[in-house]
Amino acid sequence: GESVGLHLPTLSVQEGDNSIINCAYSNSASDYFIWYKQESGKGPQFIIDIRSNMDKRQGQRVTVLLNKTVKHLSLQIAATQPGDSAVYFCAENLGGSARQLTFGSGTQLTVLP
Amino acid sequence: NAGVTQTPKFQVLKTGQSMTLQCAQDMNHNSMYWYRQDPGMGLRLIYYSASEGTTDKGEVPNGYNVSRLNKREFSLRLESAAPSQTSVYFCASSGGTRVTGELFFGEGSRLTVL
Repeated sequence: GESVGLHLPTLSVQEGDNSIINCAYSNSASDYFIWYKQESGKGPQFIIDIRSNMDKRQGQRVTVLLNKTVKHLSLQIAATQPGDSAVYFCAENLGGSARQLTFGSGTQLTVLP
Repeated sequence: NAGVTQTPKFQVLKTGQSMTLQCAQDMNHNSMYWYRQDPGMGLRLIYYSASEGTTDKGEVPNGYNVSRLNKREFSLRLESAAPSQTSVYFCASSGGTRVTGELFFGEGSRLTVL
């Protein structure tokens, strides 16, 4: 599968600040992009996804931006809280098959008091 | 509503031993998956089942077998465990037969092979 990479392996932010987690992808044919959150010792949890025909999608305190020109995906978390501390990883889906869903390795977000 | 339940949560095996990881979902989902997660790497698909009665190989199927027992249950078997299979294993499910983005994951099964 195509590689999905993250710019930084770790990110520390002050509580209350906004967080931005970045992801680069390599396959311009990918149809869906997804962000997952994984807390320590737990399974990944879906946060938000975006289709390739969109540039931006907002959820509760989160926004995903997709820049297809530079093949870049970002997750913005507003007013970061201690409960946001986790590993965040992106995934890209080339089509509808599970074999075409590729996960990145993750960024560890630490929220400082 | 339990979601996706995996057992056991922890297991230690000796090289050559066999074991089965169990997974059950109560969301009436069609598709189920087994992934492994290793340090510094993204989740890698071992096997998946797009619907009851079907299974397909993923990216890293060697050394594993699966059974889709019914719509709810999808098990992963290691016939002869090797140290390279030391990992955290996640079962997941999704509603449709085609994958878009949202998978529901279990809490993981941490396997150590000595």
